[in-house]
Amino acid sequence: GAGVSQSPRYKVAKRGQDVALRCDPISGHVSLFWYQQALGQGPEFLTYFQNEAQLDKSGLPSDRFFAERPEGSVSTLKIQRTQQEDSAVYLCASNLGTGELFFGEGSRLTVL
Amino acid sequence: AQSVTQLGSHVSVSEGALVLLRCNYSSSVPPYLFWYVQYPNQGLQLLLKYTTGATLVKGINGFEAEFKKSETSFHLTKPSAHMSDAAEYFCAVSDRKGGADGLTFGKGTHLIIQP
Repeated sequence: GAGVSQSPRYKVAKRGQDVALRCDPISGHVSLFWYQQALGQGPEFLTYFQNEAQLDKSGLPSDRFFAERPEGSVSTLKIQRTQQEDSAVYLCASNLGTGELFFGEGSRLTVL
Repeated sequence: AQSVTQLGSHVSVSEGALVLLRCNYSSSVPPYLFWYVQYPNQGLQLLLKYTTGATLVKGINGFEAEFKKSETSFHLTKPSAHMSDAAEYFCAVSDRKGGADGLTFGKGTHLIIQP
């Protein structure tokens, strides 16, 4: 596709459920980033991939968060045993390895 | 480590007035600096960026920003506000993780345009 595509756009989960958020970057983009944006805040870095390699996961808030990009294209962010504090918009971004980051529209997660 | 401070979580201006959104940064390396705009329920759109060269950079929608190294600032301006400028604005600095432009964002400034 022409841009970064994220799905689902909206997800409501009960506390304790597992969720999976998908990011389909722009074709050919080497780098892929995940950010978490809490209500009224700026995006905060979660993790970064270069192709299939996860080079930095220092921003993942707990071991309930896991990200993968097995074939160096589509990425999935998984959150296990969701908690209310996980409610946020999860943004995915990609680029060619340098230059402008292109953002998807985000996946808004609400944990009840 | 990089950090960004945006002064003023909310800025209100009249339509047609000057827009000034403030951003200060800290960086241990020569920074790449960015301004993004976010409309409700949408992703981030790049307004402009500074990497090297001319310190006054022009972006989309009539916005511009000036990199001032001595002041560690990258303030965003627009001479005449339009109602369509109402949005959330984020300043960001690149830490260039692994050569890629991973970003550290400020907390954002909500721009309100009064008719």
